[in-house]
Amino acid sequence: RKEVEQDPGPFNVPEGATVAFNCTYSNSASQSFFWYRQDCRKEPKLLMSVYSSGNEDGRFTAQLNRASQYISLLIRDSKLSDSATYLCVVTHTGTASKLTFGTGTRLQVTL
Amino acid sequence: NAGVTQTPKFQVLKTGQSMTLQCAQDMNHNSMYWYRQDPGMGLRLIYYSASEGTTDKGEVPNGYNVSRLNKREFSLRLESAAPSQTSVYFCASSLGAGGYGTDTQYFGPGTRLTVL
Repeated sequence: RKEVEQDPGPFNVPEGATVAFNCTYSNSASQSFFWYRQDCRKEPKLLMSVYSSGNEDGRFTAQLNRASQYISLLIRDSKLSDSATYLCVVTHTGTASKLTFGTGTRLQVTL
Repeated sequence: NAGVTQTPKFQVLKTGQSMTLQCAQDMNHNSMYWYRQDPGMGLRLIYYSASEGTTDKGEVPNGYNVSRLNKREFSLRLESAAPSQTSVYFCASSLGAGGYGTDTQYFGPGTRLTVL
C-alpha cells in the first residue's frame, strides 16, 4: 500500500463547479500536511498547508481528519486556471523526516 | 530574486555516461533536496542536505551522488547513467529552521533527463 494515496482522476468539471479531492495516508505518525499544485511540465508549488482545525484560502478549503487519516481539498467556483494536478503531501517528524508526495489528482476545468 | 534555478533544462545521455545536475538557490535557505518524478510514482526523494556541510540519503539514492558545495548550491551527479534514470529531476530548498520536512519547499523548474 502506498504511503499517500490519491485518485489520479482526471476530474473533468465545468467552470463554476465545486470539486473535492481526498487523499489518504497510512502513517499515523504523520505530522504535517500540505496541498501542492503542479501545472503540466512545471514544478510543484505550495497551494496551502492543512491544519487540524481546517483552513480556507479564498475558494480553496482544506480539511484534515486524523481519525480516518485523510485530508481533503475543496475548490469552489472552479476557474479554467485551476486546471492542474494537485499533490497531497505528508511529512513525519522525529525520523530522518521525509516529505512524502502522493501521485496527484488531475483536474480539468472546462467551459 | 530567481528562487531555485537548475541547469540544464534538458539532457540526453547514453548509457554509461556521467553528468552533473546543478542547483542553486538565492533565498538563504538552509536545506536543499533532490527529487525525481516518474509517471505514476509521484516525487521521490533522492538525497537531501539539511544544512551546509551535511547530506543524507532519501528514498532512492542508488546510482546518485550529491555535493553541497556551499549554502547556495547542491549538485546531483550520475556517475554511470542507466535507462532507469530517465526522469524529471527537481531540486528544492526550504528555510529548514525547524528541521527537514517541516518547512515549505520551493522547487526549481526541473531537468528532463533521457538516458538511451
